[in-house]
Amino acid sequence: QKEVEQNSGPLSVPEGAIASLNCTYSDRGSQSFFWYRQYSGKSPELIMSIYSNGDKEDGRFTAQLNKASQYVSLLIRDSQPSDSATYLCAVNRGGSYIPTFGRGTSLIVHP
Amino acid sequence: ETGVTQSPTHLIKTRGQQVTLRCSSQSGHNTVSWYQQALGQGPQFIFQYYREEENGRGNFPPRFSGLQFPNYSSELNVNALELDDSALYLCASSDRTGTGNTIYFGEGSWLTVV
Repeated sequence: QKEVEQNSGPLSVPEGAIASLNCTYSDRGSQSFFWYRQYSGKSPELIMSIYSNGDKEDGRFTAQLNKASQYVSLLIRDSQPSDSATYLCAVNRGGSYIPTFGRGTSLIVHP
Repeated sequence: ETGVTQSPTHLIKTRGQQVTLRCSSQSGHNTVSWYQQALGQGPQFIFQYYREEENGRGNFPPRFSGLQFPNYSSELNVNALELDDSALYLCASSDRTGTGNTIYFGEGSWLTVV
């Protein structure tokens, strides 16, 4: 079982819809969770971090964490074509300073 | 703009050659991590340096080596290049403060081995 798993997609949603991206992780000792966005040919950029169970909102983005289910998700409201990118989930084990990344989910927002 | 700079941005090398990639960390950051990202894959951890000491290493052979300088900039060296080393090499810096050690990536170095 991989440490951090994401569906590679592509996930295709219409403009204005809610995009839901999911990530599961295997280490129950994981403490810190991150979402990065990576445009084609570019490096990853941080969108959000989340550390506690529940929801964390930042503009159109909401991160959701459920440690009991070892599950973290990212919701993008009012999706725009400019949101089309690969979304990477990263997880830090407790006491570690080295995040482990999933392979990413490709999101396509079509007009 | 993260303040993490990498050089060169693109380079082409021949199998068997050696390459050095460079990274300047964001101001105030004392930790540098290197990742390799092959096409269609997530970033794979190579190693991390904290205050000039290697602080962790991923599943990469010894021909991948690195160092960190007193100003916290870093180099990644790869010897005896193989075709499979063709990838985007990402440097990320962090300061280990707060919760979770958020890392910030530079623009990356695209390496093609022919």
